[in-house]
Amino acid sequence: EPEVTQTPSHQVTQMGQEVILRCVPISNHLYFYWYRQILGQKVEFLVSFYNNEISEKSEIFDDQFSVERPDGSNFTLKIRSTKLEDSAMYFCASSEEPAGYNEQFFGPGTRLTVL
Amino acid sequence: QKEVEQNSGPLSVPEGAIASLNCTYSDRGSQSFFWYRQYSGKSPELIMFIYSNGDKEDGRFTAQLNKASQYVSLLIRDSQPSDSATYLCAVNGQAGTALIFGKGTTLSVSS
Repeated sequence: EPEVTQTPSHQVTQMGQEVILRCVPISNHLYFYWYRQILGQKVEFLVSFYNNEISEKSEIFDDQFSVERPDGSNFTLKIRSTKLEDSAMYFCASSEEPAGYNEQFFGPGTRLTVL
Repeated sequence: QKEVEQNSGPLSVPEGAIASLNCTYSDRGSQSFFWYRQYSGKSPELIMFIYSNGDKEDGRFTAQLNKASQYVSLLIRDSQPSDSATYLCAVNGQAGTALIFGKGTTLSVSS
């Protein structure tokens, strides 16, 4: 069964450093998303991406964040200058249709720890 | 700002019983509603989605939607210990791409 994959599974970084989280969405999916979940809290939407453009973003997704689809398979989330409060599990998801009309499938997540 | 509310639980049921999980949402314009299951330390896994008022059944799971009351529920019949997890309710965002999640209800099924 097709699945979303994410690398690395765990990333440890120093505050102020840049990190890139990588995702490979399901191959025939056209819509891509990033969510985060701080330990013990709810899953929060960050950004959605379609046709090489951001479709929607939340207040969390400020200028420190960016997304990119550098090739036909990868989808990345970059955090330019990490803060302690960026420590969280980051989930990538993909769907065939926009999330409101079709189910999103989540990857296993990358646990980001900022020291 | 869309809000999705769930009782955090824990909800404890014996094996074989029916577990009933509830969710309310604030935006009357929400169109699509999703139930995800999340095991500790894992990613959300889609169980069901529902768009129309009424019931939708899939195996042991039934989703119920009442748009007038802005209420979604999930019934799990013949609950198994393997159903023990956190159940997340989610609704679509204004632009139709984002999912807005509740905090989740923790279900514990005892054998």
